[in-house]
Amino acid sequence: GAVVSQHPSRVICKSGTSVKIECRSLDFQATTMFWYRQFPKKSLMLMATSNEGSKATYEQGVEKDKFLINHASLTLSTLTVTSAHPEDSSFYICSAGDRGSGYTFGSGTRLTVV
Amino acid sequence: AQTVTQSQPEMSVQEAETVTLSCTYDTSENNYYLFWYKQPPSRQMILVIRQEAYKQQNATENRFSVNFQKAAKSFSLKISDSQLGDTAMYFCAFMKFFRNYQLIWGAGTKLIIKP
Repeated sequence: GAVVSQHPSRVICKSGTSVKIECRSLDFQATTMFWYRQFPKKSLMLMATSNEGSKATYEQGVEKDKFLINHASLTLSTLTVTSAHPEDSSFYICSAGDRGSGYTFGSGTRLTVV
Repeated sequence: AQTVTQSQPEMSVQEAETVTLSCTYDTSENNYYLFWYKQPPSRQMILVIRQEAYKQQNATENRFSVNFQKAAKSFSLKISDSQLGDTAMYFCAFMKFFRNYQLIWGAGTKLIIKP
């Protein structure tokens, strides 16, 4: 089945620095990928839809300049958290796949900003 | 706008019992997809089962089956012969059939299987 690889699984960074999270589709081409944020014991909150070769579509309330998304190829989308602050600490998940068969999710990235 | 409601924040059953998780949704669409995802403590999201709204037959995947009631906009998940590995958060999700690829998520139900 479709496999989505997400790296890193955990990252700790200092406040004010930037962190990049990668999401790769390993055995299929993904023209669209989704980036979510999940708070503890809560559901997934869609941050943005990443479209290959074009600008990402951000959900209302998500800062475009803080959460930079690049989808430069059919197999790779990246989320960069710029000038990270402790309130950006969270669990970030990407997903991709075929809408009919159901999306596949990456294993998630736990970001801690200290 | 579409909404998905899971009214059971937490449930617990004994191993080998059958448990049903409820999900209702609201939409004006006629064609759409419905999904149940599982998120164990590892936090990896795993697709459990999916249903196309145009199919009357309820989807089944081994011990997992759904009761899809389109008119009532209900999509419950039944887990038979529950196992310890079924302990997880379960999320119900809705997706429009055409163009819009976004999943609309329920709040989740925490399911605990007791030995």
